[in-house]
Amino acid sequence: SQKIEQNSEALNIQEGKTATLTCNYTNYSPAYLQWYRQDPGRGPVFLLLIRENEKEKRKERLKVTFDTTLKQSLFHITASQPADSATYLCALPTDKLIFGTGTRLQVFP
Amino acid sequence: DSGVTQTPKHLITATGQRVTLRCSPRSGDLSVYWYQQSLDQGLQFLIQYYNGEERAKGNILERFSAQQFPDLHSELNLSSLELGDSALYFCASSASGGQAKNIQYFGAGTRLSVL
Repeated sequence: SQKIEQNSEALNIQEGKTATLTCNYTNYSPAYLQWYRQDPGRGPVFLLLIRENEKEKRKERLKVTFDTTLKQSLFHITASQPADSATYLCALPTDKLIFGTGTRLQVFP
Repeated sequence: DSGVTQTPKHLITATGQRVTLRCSPRSGDLSVYWYQQSLDQGLQFLIQYYNGEERAKGNILERFSAQQFPDLHSELNLSSLELGDSALYFCASSASGGQAKNIQYFGAGTRLSVL
């Protein structure tokens, strides 16, 4: 069955640095991949959608890449700020949207 | 604000009881999804409805059921509650078509505590 893996360990980085989060998947070839942000106790919020033929997508300080050969997506936040601290989820569509367990990002001043 | 409304925000009940969680999707969205999120687990898909009909089913327990009404709001019914059912329950909606690729908009969730 399809499987999504995100680093379960929290990522701690200093303000101003670039945060890079990884999403790996197996047994699947999605045409799309989505990234969401979730703050504690709140619902996920959609950030970006990238198609398999796009390779890279940007939105303000966010950048997502999609490597269908490696079966991997990277999510970058440049010039990170403490307000970026949250859990970031990747999601892949099958007959339903499957979410990864997320990676918690902590940006400290 | 996502436009998806969930009530109640918090629910405290006892084992063996039955509760109903309610969700109003964004205006115009025909698809409603229900998810369960426990402390030690990720977002688990329960069920999807599209325009009143069940569209996809996840690992939803037989004790749980859902429906979507003609006005498109949805209810998730949880019965014979167990301690392990304590979790955050999220509702999400998406635009017409109900395809998995569609962006989902999540409500603020209902926190269920079973004592």
